[in-house]
Order: sequence, then structure tokens, then C-alpha cells
Amino acid sequence: QQPVQSPQAVILREGEDAVINCSSSKALYSVHWYRQKHGEAPVFLMILLKGGEQKGHDKISASFNEKKQQSSLYLTASQLSYSGTYFCGTKGGGATNKLIFGTGTLLAVQP
Amino acid sequence: ETGVTQSPTHLIKTRGQQVTLRCSSQSGHNTVSWYQQALGQGPQFIFQYYREEENGRGNFPPRFSGLQFPNYSSELNVNALELDDSALYLCASSLGGSGEKLFFGSGTQLSVL
Repeated sequence: QQPVQSPQAVILREGEDAVINCSSSKALYSVHWYRQKHGEAPVFLMILLKGGEQKGHDKISASFNEKKQQSSLYLTASQLSYSGTYFCGTKGGGATNKLIFGTGTLLAVQP
Repeated sequence: ETGVTQSPTHLIKTRGQQVTLRCSSQSGHNTVSWYQQALGQGPQFIFQYYREEENGRGNFPPRFSGLQFPNYSSELNVNALELDDSALYLCASSLGGSGEKLFFGSGTQLSVL
């Protein structure tokens, strides 16, 4: 039931775009995206709720298709600071903050 | 900086011992969740405390237990340590107990020998 992320790893040059996908076999209430740099805590990026909305923050945006139980994270004009491992966290119903995190996508942005 | 602090940062124990990890949540946050992150994996939910009560638990045995104090800080206790308990333990605080943005601490790296 762990969400599957693709690709597992991606290497970019500064200024290039990337898409990270997250797919779940279970019905989802929301999808949460976090970025974790090596040796550091995961940092919140955004939450997407049911409704297929697309959210954005600076040049990072995401979409959520609850019928397909999929979410995608879009990184536009990548910067060196975008490097890290990206995790999607899925939440079903229930009154907790329990997230089931995906397998992770390692993103490396090179100059 | 998330305002969530964990101690200690690193810990080495031997199999069978007991360990207590500590977490101070961000000011104003009443909910603390604990996650275990094995090397190269995503964090796995252990349990959550909301206003001093455990109100959600993941697939972890009873030897993983916790507490939340009136100031909303929290402890994670693990008894009878096993080699597979070696991992990064992350504490996350939030404003509420359901589907909220999580503020993670930097974690405690536990090694069991």
C-alpha cells in the first residue's frame, strides 16, 4: 500500500524542468509533498485535497487526480536548491496525521 | 528551522536495551507524530499524540510506546531493542491532528549493535 514514485532518480541541469509522479493503489483523501535534503529533516512543500486541484509555490506546482489515485509534482526552471529527495505522503480517511510516504525520488540539480 | 527539536541527535545501543527519545514541538502545536525512517526509505508512521492521548498508531509492536506532556513535548520509548530498530527517528508537530502540515525535527539517528 506504499505509494510508488517515479522516477526513482533524476539528474537535471539548472533551468531544466522535471516531473515526479506518485501513484497509490488505495483511495486517497489528500496527497502531501515533502523534500528532504541529505542529513536533514523533511520540509513541507504542499498539500493537495480531493477535487483535482493544482497548487503552486514559486516554480513548484502539483496536481492531484483522485480518480486515478495519482499526484504529480512539477518543478520548473530548476535551481540548485531543489536538490534532495522528494516524498509524496498519502492520507486516507481518519482523524490523524498518519501519512504513508512513497518510495522517494532523488533529484540532483547540477550547475 | 521548524522549531521542532529532538534529542539526542545520535545514539548507540545494544540489542535488548531500552531507549528514550525526546521531542519539543513548535510553539502552539498540540499534536506530535513519530516516524521511523530506515536508510533510503520514506518515513513510516509509528504513532500520534493529540492533547496527551495516543490517537493513531501504525504497524509497530507494543514495545514502541510514547508519552505527550502538558506542554505538548513528547517521548518515544523503545524496549527490547532489535537490530532492525536501527533508523532515523523523526518527530513532527502540527497545529491539529488530522491531515495537517507537518513540521519535522532533524531526527535522532539510532544504531543498535
